[in-house]
Amino acid sequence: QKEVEQNSGPLSVPEGAIASLNCTYSDRGSQSFFWYRQYSGKSPELIMFIYSNGDKEDGRFTAQLNKASQYVSLLIRDSQPSDSATYLCAVNIKRRGGSEKLVFGKGTKLTVNP
Amino acid sequence: EPEVTQTPSHQVTQMGQEVILRCVPISNHLYFYWYRQILGQKVEFLVSFYNNEISEKSEIFDDQFSVERPDGSNFTLKIRSTKLEDSAMYFCASTVWDRGYEQYFGPGTRLTVT
Repeated sequence: QKEVEQNSGPLSVPEGAIASLNCTYSDRGSQSFFWYRQYSGKSPELIMFIYSNGDKEDGRFTAQLNKASQYVSLLIRDSQPSDSATYLCAVNIKRRGGSEKLVFGKGTKLTVNP
Repeated sequence: EPEVTQTPSHQVTQMGQEVILRCVPISNHLYFYWYRQILGQKVEFLVSFYNNEISEKSEIFDDQFSVERPDGSNFTLKIRSTKLEDSAMYFCASTVWDRGYEQYFGPGTRLTVT
């Protein structure tokens, strides 16, 4: 069973602080990793993807990947109240026949307090 | 910016009835997916579809479910005889190629089975 684990939270940070979200995965063969943001009652919105070890920055967001530790993280700098949402970690699982699918974690609920 | 669209946004049906959920993927995308999310739970993969056939399906996707691409734009999910436990948000997603890269989600259809 290919699993993706996240702390469910809630994670609460003050406005302007750094929010740190963590994710571990069990499939060592996974190559592609994604962070989605999901507001209550809405669909997942892709905010970051990372394929190589190291850091990837996009605006206030930084994704970090460590394949040896099977660990992915998302940092949100200068957190804003509008960042309050559930953040979903997703891992691409590839089967031998070539088909692929995303396996999601349960998500971490982030609240940014003004 | 191109988007995945889904109709209807909310479908209420009685147990045992057939429902068809519709999706229009992003126009140049070739790989299509259905996911579902039961209230309060994680996003779960149902099925992937490429070149007019199913690439992979989960154990949830039993004989009551089917998918079809009836024309060049629509992608449908049919549930033949709905059960109470089918109540969930159903999300369509698409990506350019079968590497799980950057799957973009539609806004979802909330299915309520009574």
